[in-house]
Amino acid sequence: GAGVSQTPSNKVTEKGKYVELRCDPISGHTALYWYRQSLGQGPEFLIYFQGTGAADDSGLPNDRFFAVRPEGSVSTLKIQRTERGDSAVYLCASSLDGRRTEAFFGQGTRLTVV
Amino acid sequence: DAKTTQPNSMESNEEEPVHLPCNHSTISGTDYIHWYRQLPSQGPEYVIHGLTSNVNNRMASLAIAEDRKSSTLILHRATLRDAAVYYCILTGNTPLVFGKGTRLSVIA
Repeated sequence: GAGVSQTPSNKVTEKGKYVELRCDPISGHTALYWYRQSLGQGPEFLIYFQGTGAADDSGLPNDRFFAVRPEGSVSTLKIQRTERGDSAVYLCASSLDGRRTEAFFGQGTRLTVV
Repeated sequence: DAKTTQPNSMESNEEEPVHLPCNHSTISGTDYIHWYRQLPSQGPEYVIHGLTSNVNNRMASLAIAEDRKSSTLILHRATLRDAAVYYCILTGNTPLVFGKGTRLSVIA
């Protein structure tokens, strides 16, 4: 079956522009996570959804970052006024219930802000 | 406010068992213990998880202390492909949050 799919796989944007990163979780998974990972660092938690609602958005670095999951399936991470420091690999993961079951990760979107 | 403590790095010889420790002294009764690993240039990958009892799967074994304040991930025969960063994570009231993990090097 299909795994977690993230699009695009690579995105190059200019400083100051707006970007959207998409995550298609595994069908039926209620929990969805977003992370970002810089070179040489571990995944940094951004936000966690249970169904349609953001159960924990404590990892979003500032108000330029926003994520939605309107129908409890596909999620979009939105970054406004991108900065060079936003360059990283953005990872998405999903799991059946977020606590008792394993999470499956997508291959990530590599965002480069020039 | 890290909930787990792991050694920064460990080294193992190929084809020998590896025991990766994790301390989680503030674990609550409803926290699950998860282990993930990340191979170079890849996304994180699930390894194993448990609540109270020891667990075995095709990749590894998880030994959980009786008081649940520590656990050990056991790779029975390390291969070069097992060289990765291993993360021990508690999930309960908090979501899947990665700490610094243990970088495992495997020597041929």
